[in-house]
Amino acid sequence: DTEVTQTPKHLVMGMTNKKSLKCEQHMGHRAMYWYKQKAKKPPELMFVYSYEKLSINESVPSRFSPECPNSSLLNLHLHALQPEDSALYLCASSHEDAGGEKLFFGSGTQLSVL
Amino acid sequence: QKEVEQDPGPLSVPEGAIVSLNCTYSNSAFQYFMWYRQYSRKGPELLMYTYSSGNKEDGRFTAQVDKSSKYISLFIRDSQPSDSATYLCAMSVTGANSKLTFGKGITLSVRP
Repeated sequence: DTEVTQTPKHLVMGMTNKKSLKCEQHMGHRAMYWYKQKAKKPPELMFVYSYEKLSINESVPSRFSPECPNSSLLNLHLHALQPEDSALYLCASSHEDAGGEKLFFGSGTQLSVL
Repeated sequence: QKEVEQDPGPLSVPEGAIVSLNCTYSNSAFQYFMWYRQYSRKGPELLMYTYSSGNKEDGRFTAQVDKSSKYISLFIRDSQPSDSATYLCAMSVTGANSKLTFGKGITLSVRP
């Protein structure tokens, strides 16, 4: 099973709302990632968790808060977002956090901030 | 100079055509080379994976890496309308915390 499951698929939120994006994988992978993708652009790395510890934070604003409750789950907590944060948010996982790892992506959450 | 350059297209071909997609890169430390396919409103899907130089074939798809020229290619034979998608090249170096560097992606349309 090479599936990464993301919920919800679509989310519309106001600038004062708090919401969470969820990601789950059951491949036994020890690295999990959050990416942000704007239309017609490649994915941009936001966070990397390795063995449930945050290993990379790409200087993401604090209104995005990641959480890794266990090795299979990854959350992204959203608060006080701006309209320019509207994008496709992708979760991915890989066997390890090492060069050359194959990343498996979920289908993403399409986020619209009003 | 960007680390990875990819012609953004778009590219439109008739069904059955041979498609050639290319990326160039500047970082000679890149060792792992990948092609991802992304359908509209979906996440990227790993299509081809190559370590160092050489060719790799999988069905109608062939990936080539020429490290001496810092050039990678993806060939699609007998293209089908279902191949219509955005194709992203990606590459990384060896070692922990090595981030995947993506090309901009090229949108391919295969006309029936």
